[in-house]
Amino acid sequence: DTEVTQTPKHLVMGMTNKKSLKCEQHMGHRAMYWYKQKAKKPPELMFVYSYEKLSINESVPSRFSPECPNSSLLNLHLHALQPEDSALYLCASSLGTSGENEQFFGPGTRLTVL
Amino acid sequence: AQSVSQHNHHVILSEAASLELGCNYSYGGTVNLFWYVQYPGQHLQLLLKYFSGDPLVKGIKGFEAEFIKSKFSFNLRKPSVQWSDTAEYFCAVNAITGTYKYIFGTGTRLKVLA
Repeated sequence: DTEVTQTPKHLVMGMTNKKSLKCEQHMGHRAMYWYKQKAKKPPELMFVYSYEKLSINESVPSRFSPECPNSSLLNLHLHALQPEDSALYLCASSLGTSGENEQFFGPGTRLTVL
Repeated sequence: AQSVSQHNHHVILSEAASLELGCNYSYGGTVNLFWYVQYPGQHLQLLLKYFSGDPLVKGIKGFEAEFIKSKFSFNLRKPSVQWSDTAEYFCAVNAITGTYKYIFGTGTRLKVLA
């Protein structure tokens, strides 16, 4: 299984809602990532988890809260988002944290904040 | 700060034409280099990668890329494109500085006319 799955595929939420994005991989990867991709732009790194511990937070606002319950799962909890947070949120995983490890990407969750 | 440049933002080719997409990065140290492709409606997929050794690397679907260290470049090539190559192509660089952060280029949208 060389797949990273993400749910939901689409999410529409209001600015006062609380929602969560979910990412799962069963490749035994120990590094997992959240990226944000705006239309016609490259992915921008948000968070990196290594061995279930948060190792990089790219100065992401606290209305985004990541969680790694186990080595296969990665969540992104959303609260009080702004319309400018509307984007495609990508999850990725890699075998380890060495730069030689390619990252495997999920299909993304397309988020719309009203 | 590290950066990755892709000079061709939009490329339109006819089938069987040859393709070359430019990628330049700014970092003086050792790097790992990647090309990813994002087909319409699909997730990012790795085309090829370079870590060390032969600077000419071959990837999937007939793509290849050449690392020219003196020019800080990693250009993607394909001798004869097909309609199915229509996609967005991202160059990514990981500087071997102890982090595993990808820096993505801005992407090149390729359209192949049948």
